[in-house]
Amino acid sequence: AQSVAQPEDQVNVAEGNPLTVKCTYSVSGNPYLFWYVQYPNRGLQFLLKYITGDNLVKGSYGFEAEFNKSQTSFHLKKPSALVSDSALYFCAVRPHRDDKIIFGKGTRLHILP
Amino acid sequence: EAQVTQNPRYLITVTGKKLTVTCSQNMNHEYMSWYRQDPGLGLRQIYYSMNVEVTDKGDVPEGYKVSRKEKRNFPLILESPSPNQTSLYFCASSPRLAGGTYEQYFGPGTRLTVT
Repeated sequence: AQSVAQPEDQVNVAEGNPLTVKCTYSVSGNPYLFWYVQYPNRGLQFLLKYITGDNLVKGSYGFEAEFNKSQTSFHLKKPSALVSDSALYFCAVRPHRDDKIIFGKGTRLHILP
Repeated sequence: EAQVTQNPRYLITVTGKKLTVTCSQNMNHEYMSWYRQDPGLGLRQIYYSMNVEVTDKGDVPEGYKVSRKEKRNFPLILESPSPNQTSLYFCASSPRLAGGTYEQYFGPGTRLTVT
């Protein structure tokens, strides 16, 4: 079955430190990969995507993500965390030649002042 | 302002009483979708639509219906709601661009409680 895994329910990082939120996927073919962020009492907002090309993609608010085909991963990163980055982060995948979109369960990121 | 709107934002209802949650987008997007968000389960896709009169099941379609008669609207219908449909529901839309660049724009959510 096609799936997306976010192995950490919660990640705690001190402000100013680098952060990583992990995502791995299991789909057939070449996937299209996305990261979204959800702030409290809000809908999801798009952060970045990988479609093809350079494995390192840059997105909003200083976030970036690295596509690793051999490890089937698409980890979200930021060099220096801000308290305002605290939110719920979702990884999503659209399998190639499929119009369904599969979301991970989400990772809650806490940035400690 | 480009946006996806949902109504109502909050709804408390009783088992078996038919309800409709409306979704509308003003961006002329082809693709629209409904999700439910539950603690520990993340977002799960209920139904999606590639364009007018084209709908398909997502991962959890049981107990739900949708229709796409106009490009801008994609209502979610619960004909006989049950308590296990208590959830936070999101509507989303995206342009259907070549290469599969389906980043979605989400509505603010509808919190549904079925007693």
